[in-house]
Amino acid sequence: EPEVTQTPSHQVTQMGQEVILRCVPISNHLYFYWYRQILGQKVEFLVSFYNNEISEKSEIFDDQFSVERPDGSNFTLKIRSTKLEDSAMYFCASMPFMNTEAFFGQGTRLTVV
Amino acid sequence: GDSVTQMEGPVTLSEEAFLTINCTYTATGYPSLFWYVQYPGEGLQLLLKATKADDKGSNKGFEATYRKETTSFHLEKGSVQVSDSAVYFCALGERDDKIIFGKGTRLHILP
Repeated sequence: EPEVTQTPSHQVTQMGQEVILRCVPISNHLYFYWYRQILGQKVEFLVSFYNNEISEKSEIFDDQFSVERPDGSNFTLKIRSTKLEDSAMYFCASMPFMNTEAFFGQGTRLTVV
Repeated sequence: GDSVTQMEGPVTLSEEAFLTINCTYTATGYPSLFWYVQYPGEGLQLLLKATKADDKGSNKGFEATYRKETTSFHLEKGSVQVSDSAVYFCALGERDDKIIFGKGTRLHILP
């Protein structure tokens, strides 16, 4: 069964460093998302991506964040200068069409020290 | 904006007990409704969904009915198992495609 895959599963980084979280969405899906979950808290929307551009972003998604779909298969989330409060589980998701089921990856646990 | 409210956890039940996790939503349009489950150490998995009023989603013995008149989507299971221990998230899909999650309800099932 097709699935969304994320790498790495866990990343530890020093405050101020750049990190890139990688995702391979399900082939032929058109909509892509990043969400995050701070430990023990709710899952929060970060950004949605469609037709090679951001379609919506939340207040959390400030200038430190960026997304790319560099090669038609990968979908990356970059945090330019990490802060302690960026420590969270980051989930990638893809959706075949609007208003249908979103398929989530297993997540990348980011720890900023 | 659209939002989801679900009952606070943790919820602790004995095996074979009846489960209800309440969920209500606020939305301007007619969203799709979902329950996602997160087992310990794992990612989010879709448990069930309903796309319009009066639809009933079901999977693995869990059920939820889309109630437009009460703006609710309560999750139920007649007889829970230890393996059902997880965090359950109620969610809605907005017309502009993003998903809004509730805060999650942690469920503990005792043998």
